[in-house]
Amino acid sequence: EADIYQTPRYLVIGTGKKITLECSQTMGHDKMYWYQQDPGMELHLIHYSYGVNSTEKGDLSSESTVSRIRTEHFPLTLESARPSHTSQYLCASTRQGASTGELFFGEGSRLTVL
Amino acid sequence: KNQVEQSPQSLIILEGKNCTLQCNYTVSPFSNLRWYKQDTGRGPVSLTIMTFSENTKSNGRYTATLDADTKQSSLHITASQLSDSASYICVVSDRGSTLGRLYFGRGTQLTVWP
Repeated sequence: EADIYQTPRYLVIGTGKKITLECSQTMGHDKMYWYQQDPGMELHLIHYSYGVNSTEKGDLSSESTVSRIRTEHFPLTLESARPSHTSQYLCASTRQGASTGELFFGEGSRLTVL
Repeated sequence: KNQVEQSPQSLIILEGKNCTLQCNYTVSPFSNLRWYKQDTGRGPVSLTIMTFSENTKSNGRYTATLDADTKQSSLHITASQLSDSASYICVVSDRGSTLGRLYFGRGTQLTVWP
């Protein structure tokens, strides 16, 4: 079982609120990723990091931001949530890189913005 | 344009029966193909990885095949169990390096009835 944890699992908030989705892994992986997943749709990469102080935007345009101050921690922040942000957010990590190594996923954070 | 197409979109089978899920891709160049299982409300978990030179790989009751010439893969589940009910996601990588991209299918939703 993967040692990668996401909190909160479920969150319902009002428009305009600031939220942070937490992701932590204890596997010592350098590479971490945030994906967005809507029902019946493919996962979309929104942010990734190859190590401490390294963050990049992914394929899907997102108004969220991320930080990587510690290897094990990769939080995602929305400064002002909107209903269009309603989705499932999945955090993942790997040792070798997403294209070669196995991705280990957290259980996801399901966000609903009213 | 989604470069990984999965079929069927959903499938219902009776416990104990076999089933086969399909994945067609147009990703090029090709590095590897993974099948992930995603239980409802959980993150995806890797079942198997196929590289260019591999035709068949088994993981318990799961058997994956790859035809790199026709760019097709299948996941065969033998003697299905209720716990097999999940979404099965095909993921293709375009090169085996840190710079490689992942292309996700939309998944096949499998339901196993008792």
